[in-house]
Amino acid sequence: KQEVTQIPAALSVPEGENLVLNCSFTDSAIYNLQWFRQDPGKGLTSLLLIQSSQREQTSGRLNASLDKSSGRSTLYIAASQPGDSATYLCAVIGTYKYIFGTGTRLKVLA
Amino acid sequence: SQTIHQWPATLVQPVGSPLSLECTVEGTSNPNLYWYRQAAGRGLQLLFYSVGIGQISSEVPQNLSASRPQDRQFILSSKKLLLSDSGFYLCAWSFRGQETQYFGPGTRLLVL
Repeated sequence: KQEVTQIPAALSVPEGENLVLNCSFTDSAIYNLQWFRQDPGKGLTSLLLIQSSQREQTSGRLNASLDKSSGRSTLYIAASQPGDSATYLCAVIGTYKYIFGTGTRLKVLA
Repeated sequence: SQTIHQWPATLVQPVGSPLSLECTVEGTSNPNLYWYRQAAGRGLQLLFYSVGIGQISSEVPQNLSASRPQDRQFILSSKKLLLSDSGFYLCAWSFRGQETQYFGPGTRLLVL
């Protein structure tokens, strides 16, 4: 059974810091992996989708990497801003199913 | 382009009352449809998925049921709500045969 873990559960950093969020999964037989952002009381905003054949994806200040063999993905946020404050979720994608981690709650202090 | 709608956005219901949450998708045909729940302090969990009209697969045993009366309509229901049904419910869709899912805005349900 696939299990997805995100560490840390919560993170508070000063504005301008570079930071790394971690996602690990137990079964490497995945199709893709996707990172989302969730603001309080809101739905999901897709940030980056990494296909299983790729090792990383970049969008602006965000970079996500994927290492299937070790069951790990990281989301790198450069030059963090208060507007980045949200919960970040990773999801491992299998057949008919997204399996989500419990998220990292990020707070960027001005 | 495709859009996904969920309503209501927020719902407060007493314990024991019935529930009906609706999800519709526009701009595509024959989508796969999904219901997820996010309970307080827990991750998003897949509840049901459907690959066609009248075809429903359940992922976890629970107090809820799902139906797909039309190609682009997915309904989540309960006959009698429990306190533990409170949470954030997300509907999603994908193109048939593809894994990437697209999520709706969600419904926040509070059972009192």
